[in-house]
Amino acid sequence: EAGVAQSPRYKIIEKRQSVAFWCNPISGHATLYWYQQILGQGPKLLIQFQNNGVVDDSQLPKDRFSAERLKGVDSTLKIQPAKLEDSAVYLCASSSTGGPQETQYFGPGTRLLVL
Amino acid sequence: AQSVAQPEDQVNVAEGNPLTVKCTYSVSGNPYLFWYVQYPNRGLQFLLKYITGDNLVKGSYGFEAEFNKSQTSFHLKKPSALVSDSALYFCAASWGKFQFGAGTQVVVTP
Repeated sequence: EAGVAQSPRYKIIEKRQSVAFWCNPISGHATLYWYQQILGQGPKLLIQFQNNGVVDDSQLPKDRFSAERLKGVDSTLKIQPAKLEDSAVYLCASSSTGGPQETQYFGPGTRLLVL
Repeated sequence: AQSVAQPEDQVNVAEGNPLTVKCTYSVSGNPYLFWYVQYPNRGLQFLLKYITGDNLVKGSYGFEAEFNKSQTSFHLKKPSALVSDSALYFCAASWGKFQFGAGTQVVVTP
C-alpha cells in the first residue's frame, strides 16, 4: 500500500513570495491533516479535512495560509505572502475516518526555507 | 490548558542498555495516547498507541509503553537499545484535538 505522498521535498523562497505544497493521502483515507513543524518543536496542526470539508482550522493563520481539498482526495496548502517565521517542515498526514483513536500516517514532509 | 510534556530534550544511552523516554499529559477526560518516531529528513512513523485495556502496550521495533492513569504518564521503553534507535521521539494525545509534545532526541552510543 502506498503511503502519503508530498511534493516538493524542499523549497527555498524569498519573503513575500508565495509557495504551494501538495499532498496525496493513503488511498481511501477520508481525513487529511496539515501540520507545521518548526525546528525544535513538535508538529502543530494547521488544518484538518474530512473528505472535502474543513473540520478544524483554528490554528491556521488565515491572513496568509490557505488550503483546499476540492475532490476529497489530494490537497494543496498555500502560503501567500511568506514570512521568515514560516520556515519549517510542513507535514501531511491521513487517517481512515478521523476518529480520535485512529492512527495518523505521515508523509515525508516539505522543508521550507524563507530568506 | 491541555498539554503534552516531554520533560527531557535529550536522552543518552549506551547500546544494550534499557531506554526510557518520558511523557506526561494534562488533558481532561480520557485521551488516547500515541508515540511516533522521526528519523532525519523523514516524516513521523507510528510506534504504538494506548486506547484502552492493558496498561502495557507493545509496538513496533521492540518498543513498549506503560500507561499510568494516576500519574497521567505514558512512558516509552525498550529493554535493550540499538544504535539505530537514535532518532527524535514524539508523544501525542488525542481527545478530538491531536497534540504533540515537543519531542525527545534519543542518542544511543555504541
